[in-house]
Amino acid sequence: DIQMTQSPSTLSASVGDRVTITCRASQSVSSWLAWYQQKPGKAPKILIYKASNLESGVPSRFSGSGSGTEFTLTISSLQPDDFATYYCQEYKIYPLTFGGGTKVEIK
Amino acid sequence: EVQLLESGGGLVQPGGSLRLSCAVSGFTFSSYTMSWVRQAPGKGLEWVSSISANGASTDYADSVKGRFTFSRDNSKNTLYLQMSNLRVDDTAVYYCARTALPVGHFDSWGQGTLVTVSS
Repeated sequence: DIQMTQSPSTLSASVGDRVTITCRASQSVSSWLAWYQQKPGKAPKILIYKASNLESGVPSRFSGSGSGTEFTLTISSLQPDDFATYYCQEYKIYPLTFGGGTKVEIK
Repeated sequence: EVQLLESGGGLVQPGGSLRLSCAVSGFTFSSYTMSWVRQAPGKGLEWVSSISANGASTDYADSVKGRFTFSRDNSKNTLYLQMSNLRVDDTAVYYCARTALPVGHFDSWGQGTLVTVSS
């Protein structure tokens, strides 16, 4: 099984900050990686798919990069609505696996 | 508008059974692979199972293999997750999710249904 490791697990930041979250895969997933945002009590929401493709309707301050085993999600200028938990997920092969999540908190 | 609506969650004793449903609308259901993803209280996301568009193929997480059965009725636009021999660690919110075409991320999610396994 592919293991997905996210870092950091918690991140404290201020509005306007540039934020970067890292996701590492235990083996190559090529570009078969997605990023989701989840707010308390809500379902996850897709942000980025195939490592760097922005889902329709998602603000352009979100971007994704990487391939193989190293990936990043960047928020160029953190907004109040962005305080949430973020998950990466590989979908190269079953079983599909998620990272442990990164909670972005207000500093 | 794409909509997924889960139902069937509730309180069940260890060893018991429960069937979850997910009714979908707003898209051509029979064209999409569908999945269940769960989230234990205060924990991260865990993929549970996926089913192919025609229902002929299913995959399961090792943690549920042999206990859960995922099926679909394309004539009713509905998914089913039959859960048996439930354990305390199956307690979670269960989400149904659509797999995007042609790539495989989850592009639409239901609101979730809570399953609590407790004596």
